[in-house]
Amino acid sequence: KAGVTQTPRYLIKTRGQQVTLSCSPISGHRSVSWYQQTPGQGLQFLFEYFSETQRNKGNFPGRFSGRQFSNSRSEMNVSTLELGDSALYLCASTSGTSGTLYYNEQFFGPGTRLTVL
Amino acid sequence: DAKTTQPNSMESNEEEPVHLPCNHSTISGTDYIHWYRQLPSQGPEYVIHGLTSNVNNRMASLAIAEDRKSSTLILHRATLRDAAVYYCILRGRYKRGSQGNLIFGKGTKLSVKP
Repeated sequence: KAGVTQTPRYLIKTRGQQVTLSCSPISGHRSVSWYQQTPGQGLQFLFEYFSETQRNKGNFPGRFSGRQFSNSRSEMNVSTLELGDSALYLCASTSGTSGTLYYNEQFFGPGTRLTVL
Repeated sequence: DAKTTQPNSMESNEEEPVHLPCNHSTISGTDYIHWYRQLPSQGPEYVIHGLTSNVNNRMASLAIAEDRKSSTLILHRATLRDAAVYYCILRGRYKRGSQGNLIFGKGTKLSVKP
């Protein structure tokens, strides 16, 4: 099985722009989670989707949004980019039903490195 | 959401066992204990998880205290490839309004000396 893929792998934007990142989960996985990783804050949870519904959301401003499509692929969008949004954005997929996600393994993609100038 | 506490860093010699501790005194009865690790320049990867009983897999063993307030990840023979940041995380049943997901702390940076 192919692993979790994320596109693009690297991205450079300027302040004020917006960006869309894409994540394709492992085939058959219906849950996708997004994380932001920075040297200062470490790994922080952004949001989780299951079958096109957002189940959980972390403590991020409304500029961060996401969605999941019927084929389980997910996108996250960041509007009005700020310098502090420079980070590695990681996507993870999980197998199982909504009731079993919490004890199943999450598979992470390689991440998208976003640099905001 | 329950939190975990881990040492910032640990050192080990190659081919020796490594015991990575984790405290989670506020764990609830249905929280699973997960361990992930992140090698340099890679996304995190799953290592092991458990609920109450000790667990073994090809990568590691997980020893869970009887009161479940602490656990230890055991790498039986550390190799240079095991040098990574190891995260101990609690994950519980879905609750509306909670983060309910993998809350990563700072983790333990493991260095392995040849």
